[in-house]
Amino acid sequence: KNQVEQSPQSLIILEGKNCTLQCNYTVSPFSNLRWYKQDTGRGPVSLTIMTFSENTKSNGRYTATLDADTKQSSLHITASQLSDSASYICVVSGGDSSYKLIFGSGTRLLVRP
Amino acid sequence: DAGVIQSPRHEVTEMGQEVTLRCKPISGHNSLFWYRQTMMRGLELLIYFNNNVPIDDSGMPEDRFSAKMPNASFSTLKIQPSEPRDSAVYFCASSLGGVGTPYEQYFGPGTRLTVT
Repeated sequence: KNQVEQSPQSLIILEGKNCTLQCNYTVSPFSNLRWYKQDTGRGPVSLTIMTFSENTKSNGRYTATLDADTKQSSLHITASQLSDSASYICVVSGGDSSYKLIFGSGTRLLVRP
Repeated sequence: DAGVIQSPRHEVTEMGQEVTLRCKPISGHNSLFWYRQTMMRGLELLIYFNNNVPIDDSGMPEDRFSAKMPNASFSTLKIQPSEPRDSAVYFCASSLGGVGTPYEQYFGPGTRLTVT
């Protein structure tokens, strides 16, 4: 069964600190992996997209890694800001239809001053 | 660009009433997706259009749900009759690409539907 699992479910950190969110997937065949940020009351916004051949991609203070062998990904946030408080969703494209996105349940991050 | 536009942003209706959600995709995009998000099930794909044609509607819960895309700049998702379990946030997303081309999907702000 195609699944995407994320950990932790929620996380609280102090402003300025770093954090790492984890994602494991069992999607086959694999097309690409995406990390989305969803602010409360808004739609998801893409942070990074990685294909099979990419093992790291950065977007400002966000750095995503991908290990296609172990089917694991991580999202590292550096020098967190209050505006980073949001849900972060790991999404894998693939399976029986490349256009279908298989969503993780998300990690809810709260950055405190 | 204005991004994906959805209306209304909030909808409260009574059980049994018809609900119509609207979406205007990003100009030039040829793929459109309707999603539903709930706390229990997260984000789920309901239906996918490519070049205004429904390609995959396997996620549509039941016959009470229907979606149309009469032209490249407009789509509707209709629920008739609505039930309390339909309460969720409904997102529309669009992308540039065809079947088999996993381009970036841009999400709208969503419509929060509450059925009482």
